[in-house]
Amino acid sequence: QLLESGGGLVQTGGSLRLSCAASGFSFNLYAMSWVRQAPGKGLEWVSGISGSSKNTFYTDSVKGRFTISRDNSKNTVYLQMDSLRGEDTAVYYCAKDYSLWNYDAFDIWGQGTTVTVSS
Amino acid sequence: DVVMTQSPLSLPVTLGQPASISCRSSQSLVHNDGNTYLSWFHQRPGQSPRRLIYRVSNRDSGVPDRFSGSGSGTDFTLRISRVEAEDIGVYYCMQGTHWPPCTFGQGTKLEIK
Repeated sequence: QLLESGGGLVQTGGSLRLSCAASGFSFNLYAMSWVRQAPGKGLEWVSGISGSSKNTFYTDSVKGRFTISRDNSKNTVYLQMDSLRGEDTAVYYCAKDYSLWNYDAFDIWGQGTTVTVSS
Repeated sequence: DVVMTQSPLSLPVTLGQPASISCRSSQSLVHNDGNTYLSWFHQRPGQSPRRLIYRVSNRDSGVPDRFSGSGSGTDFTLRISRVEAEDIGVYYCMQGTHWPPCTFGQGTKLEIK
């Protein structure tokens, strides 16, 4: 199970920190990702982090503005979002990603948390 | 980035009839490890996505056997043998072979006629 929190309404240029608490699987053995969905639009992968935190990845549009991290002692992954723009408005899902054994991904999703960026 | 193209984007289907969704990738999805990381997801209105199929043709636990996936290389298909009312929503294909980034298709909206 994945449970996101931290969404809300923020002004353009502001910051938010999303959290995703995991349970029911060996958290440290899996990469984790954030996927977002703008209103009425499709799914867009945003960022991912390996199980050890050694590797982090971002889609081009958020590089330099978003930072993904995780705390394996708390089974939690985070997304720090700075310099927010209107186009970042979306439902943000965290999802269980690839393992040490293969690249099967996204078999578990959270319920989503809504981020609204307004001027 | 790999571009995933789905068709059709809208799919009206009569209950009990079959349905088929096509997904094409801009390059082969065969990974260096020999696997093809093509998945299908279903999203009902107001809900999170749910993975149905992974590695082209493997059904996830609890997915009805009326759902099947096939294909290879760059061409893939999701089939529903007999559509039921609970199947409405949007279906997405996704590639995880050329990651990052993983990329999704635009989505196909299935509705009941």
